[in-house]
Amino acid sequence: NAGVMQNPRHLVRRRGQEARLRCSPMKGHSHVYWYRQLPEEGLKFMVYLQKENIIDESGMPKERFSAEFPKEGPSILRIQQVVRGDSAAYFCASSPGQGVYEQYFGPGTRLTVT
Amino acid sequence: LAKTTQPISMDSYEGQEVNITCSHNNIATNDYITWYQQFPSQGPRFIIQGYKTKVTNEVASLFIPADRKSSTLSLPRVSLSDTAVYYCLVGTGGFKTIFGAGTRLFVKA
Repeated sequence: NAGVMQNPRHLVRRRGQEARLRCSPMKGHSHVYWYRQLPEEGLKFMVYLQKENIIDESGMPKERFSAEFPKEGPSILRIQQVVRGDSAAYFCASSPGQGVYEQYFGPGTRLTVT
Repeated sequence: LAKTTQPISMDSYEGQEVNITCSHNNIATNDYITWYQQFPSQGPRFIIQGYKTKVTNEVASLFIPADRKSSTLSLPRVSLSDTAVYYCLVGTGGFKTIFGAGTRLFVKA
């Protein structure tokens, strides 16, 4: 059973470009979470999605950031018009359901904005 | 959401037992306590979860007193490869999972 997959692992974008981060949850998992981590800091919750639904996006910046988890295909975290402050590691996690299930994390995507 | 407080860092030597305590004074009745481990440049990895008393698995033990206002993660006989950041989380899972700064454990030879 493959774990959570994220791609790309490393992404370099110039200021003003768009960044698309992909996350494929573990097989059988219908809940996806996105987190951002700055160097030497803990993970910051961004958004929680189920298939075709955004459940909680309270940690997502109001502008330039969006997330989706379509019926088919991976979850996508999209950052428009990236700025240097967006440089961070972005982690995706999945779980089989809401509740006390542990979350399984992917290896992360390291975004560098030049 | 219950806030957690952990030591910022801890040092240990190989072969020792390490205990990391987490305070969560406003834990709710339905909240569980979950610990994750994170190595540099990797995503966090689930270690153990519990509700009360003691939970043990092949990796660690989790001790939770009766009032549940704190919990202690116990790592038996640590090795160099246990050097990592350890996060204590409190909640019912899902929704806005909050990771604090965690405890940086340094295991020395």
